[in-house]
Amino acid sequence: GAGVSQSPSNKVTEKGKDVELRCDPISGHTALYWYRQSLGQGLEFLIYFQGNSAPDKSGLPSDRFSAERTGGSVSTLTIQRTQQEDSAVYLCASSLIRTGNSPLHFGNGTRLTVT
Amino acid sequence: DQQVKQNSPSLSVQEGRISILNCDYTNSMFDYFLWYKKYPAEGPTFLISISSIKDKNEDGRFTVFLNKSAKHLSLHIVPSQPGDSAVYFCAAKDDTNAGKSTFGDGTTLTVKP
Repeated sequence: GAGVSQSPSNKVTEKGKDVELRCDPISGHTALYWYRQSLGQGLEFLIYFQGNSAPDKSGLPSDRFSAERTGGSVSTLTIQRTQQEDSAVYLCASSLIRTGNSPLHFGNGTRLTVT
Repeated sequence: DQQVKQNSPSLSVQEGRISILNCDYTNSMFDYFLWYKKYPAEGPTFLISISSIKDKNEDGRFTVFLNKSAKHLSLHIVPSQPGDSAVYFCAAKDDTNAGKSTFGDGTTLTVKP
């Protein structure tokens, strides 16, 4: 079956512009997570959705970052007024359930470069 | 405060030998530990997991060992194959915290033919 799909795969933007990243999770997966990976670093948690609600937004770095999920499916991560430190690979993952050893299924990420 | 640490950024082993990747954690609330493998330009893929109530889980060439008292786990790959060359991430889950996974910085494994 189809895995997690992310678009675009690459995005180059100028500092100060807004960007929107899209994630299409595996059908039926109720939990959806956004992570980002900066160069040489591990995966940094950004936000988590259970259905359409986001109980945990604790990882969003600033109020320039926001995310939504509609219909319990597609999610978009929006970064306003992008800065150079926002450059990273943004990874989306979905999970059948959020508890237990249910693993994350990751997309291939969006590589964001802010010039 | 990094709750999950992989202290070796890289590891190189000969094909056919054992690869041992290590991971340390600080939060005793973690319920599950998972290992993911990542190839360049791809997202991480799940490899193997272990519950905090177990001390060993095996799946083919991959075995994960958990030492709760030392807050340490390790992934053993035997025999190692060139296709195992990738970045390996250790992750820990706390079901009381939204089931959020906390990741280490990864270890790059190179298996030489």
